[in-house]
Amino acid sequence: GAVVSQHPSWVICKSGTSVKIECRSLDFQATTMFWYRQFPKQSLMLMATSNEGSKATYEQGVEKDKFLINHASLTLSTLTVTSAHPEDSSFYICSARVFGGRGGLDNEQFFGPGTRLTVL
Amino acid sequence: AQSVTQPDIHITVSEGASLELRCNYSYGATPYLFWYVQSPGQGLQLLLKYFSGDTLVQGIKGFEAEFKRSQSSFNLRKPSVHWSDAAEYFCAVGLMNTGFQKLVFGTGTRLLVSP
Repeated sequence: GAVVSQHPSWVICKSGTSVKIECRSLDFQATTMFWYRQFPKQSLMLMATSNEGSKATYEQGVEKDKFLINHASLTLSTLTVTSAHPEDSSFYICSARVFGGRGGLDNEQFFGPGTRLTVL
Repeated sequence: AQSVTQPDIHITVSEGASLELRCNYSYGATPYLFWYVQSPGQGLQLLLKYFSGDTLVQGIKGFEAEFKRSQSSFNLRKPSVHWSDAAEYFCAVGLMNTGFQKLVFGTGTRLLVSP
């Protein structure tokens, strides 16, 4: 249980195009999803916190107009990288927080496998 | 500001030998502490967590960690390493003022296991 999927697992796009990444909680409802960015050989940096039905909260320094987040349901959040540029190439990872403290898992985040974005 | 330090960028351990990965945190309140493992190209898997109570916590795959408040440390240990343990390990602190939702990660330690 508590599985999080991401789609696609990797994507290559041309500079200036937009890319959408999906994050799904497969067997639980997630009131909150998080989006992280990980550069090679570096740690995960939180980009934004996404709550179902409300606007995402972005971390300082993250451009909200460039990284559009939509959390339309309790099982799906999307991250759209708009007008992507080579410097946006990175590994994007989402996580989901269990709703309602199922099985004592409250406050635990479950991570997706990540999406490798390469912008040419 | 909250921060997590993992002083070892990479560590090499012989298979069957013991392992200790260091983690120090800087946080003004009682921390929620986590250790995650990341295999190449994959997401993070939770190994163990500390919220309160017994300062020695047991996790999956034979890992354990000890919370030492006086040293602001939460070191990860395993008595006998297996080749399959080779991966990247991240220590993280959960921030209380956001209901423990926000995680701050260390820079990670890459574990290499030699035959």
